Amino acid sequence: DTAVSQTPKYLVTQMGNDKSIKCEQNLGHDTMYWYKQDSKKFLKIMFSYNNKELIINETVPNRFSPKSPDKAHLNLHINSLELGDSAVYFCASSQGSGTVSYEQYFGPGTRLTVT
Amino acid sequence: KNEVEQSPQNLTAQEGEFITINCSYSVGISALHWLQQHPGGGIVSLFMLSSGKKKHGRLIATINIQEKHSSLHITASHPRDSAVYICAVGGGGADGLTFGKGTHLIIQP
Repeated sequence: DTAVSQTPKYLVTQMGNDKSIKCEQNLGHDTMYWYKQDSKKFLKIMFSYNNKELIINETVPNRFSPKSPDKAHLNLHINSLELGDSAVYFCASSQGSGTVSYEQYFGPGTRLTVT
Repeated sequence: KNEVEQSPQNLTAQEGEFITINCSYSVGISALHWLQQHPGGGIVSLFMLSSGKKKHGRLIATINIQEKHSSLHITASHPRDSAVYICAVGGGGADGLTFGKGTHLIIQP
């Protein structure tokens, strides 16, 4: 059973298009995240959601809009794609909230290529 | 904002060698995470530490909260340990992780 799954695994699209990446976790976790890994393999937080509520929105262009229809799903919609959006996007999930830290479980990643 | 520094950036060693990767951070944290990423692969959590030391098989992770420093050790290294090892810190709860730039480890047979 896959704990955190993402679709699609690969996404190739042209500049200006709109695309979505879906993420689902079957771990019963309360918190989900989107991270971006750039061409230099550096990872950075984009968003976090706790119980469908947006908690963190790092300095991400508003062309990126996360949506959490329920606790188990966190989707990422990107409008007007640009070349610089090419990256690998990882979804992750963890238990809980408050001030306690929990282990994070990562999805397999979605490699987005904008041409 | 936390700054996370890892060293070395690249490390090549022979099979069987003892490996150490270091991580330092600038601001107090709730926990520190060590992650592993194989080429073209996903990210796996190895350890989450808030104090002391943890061991899993040939991997050992330590943290010194006062010095804001952590180390990841691999004993009896093996070619299958070749991967990128990433240190990350979090403030707790739904805070996302702040990552180091990773250490690219190659173990030669």
